[in-house]
Amino acid sequence: QKEVEQNSGPLSVPEGAIASLNCTYSDRGSQSFFWYRQYSGKSPELIMFIYSNGDKEDGRFTAQLNKASQYVSLLIRDSQPSDSATYLCAVKTGGRNTDKLIFGTGTRLQVFP
Amino acid sequence: EPEVTQTPSHQVTQMGQEVILRCVPISNHLYFYWYRQILGQKVEFLVSFYNNEISEKSEIFDDQFSVERPDGSNFTLKIRSTKLEDSAMYFCASSERNQPQHFGDGTRLSIL
Repeated sequence: QKEVEQNSGPLSVPEGAIASLNCTYSDRGSQSFFWYRQYSGKSPELIMFIYSNGDKEDGRFTAQLNKASQYVSLLIRDSQPSDSATYLCAVKTGGRNTDKLIFGTGTRLQVFP
Repeated sequence: EPEVTQTPSHQVTQMGQEVILRCVPISNHLYFYWYRQILGQKVEFLVSFYNNEISEKSEIFDDQFSVERPDGSNFTLKIRSTKLEDSAMYFCASSERNQPQHFGDGTRLSIL
């Protein structure tokens, strides 16, 4: 059974701080990794994706991947109250014509003023 | 920016009735998916669809479920005889090959 594990939180950080969200996965053959943000009652919204070991930065967001440790993280710099949401880690598995995503349970982030 | 659109936003159905959830994927995408999320639980894969056929399906996607692309734009999920445990948010997603999946706003299905 392929699993994606996240701490459910809540992770509480003050406005302006760095929020660090972590995720581990069980399938060593996984190649693609995604972070989605989900506000309560809404759909997952793509924030970042990363395919190679190392860091990938996009604005205030940095995704980090370590395939040897089967570990993905998302850093949010200068956290804002509007960043308060559940962050879903998703890992792509599958064969030639399918790219199903396996999701973690999500980490709830609370940014307080 | 192109979006995946889903209708209806909320569907209330009596147990045992058939329900069809509709999705319009992003126009140049070729890969289509259905996921569901039971309240308070993780997003779960149901089925993927490519080149007019199912590519993969999960254990959840039993004989009560079916998918169809009836024309060039719509992608539907049918549940033949709904059960109470089918109550969930159902998300449609689409993607290009080897690109991230983009999700629609979802349909909240309530089975009474």
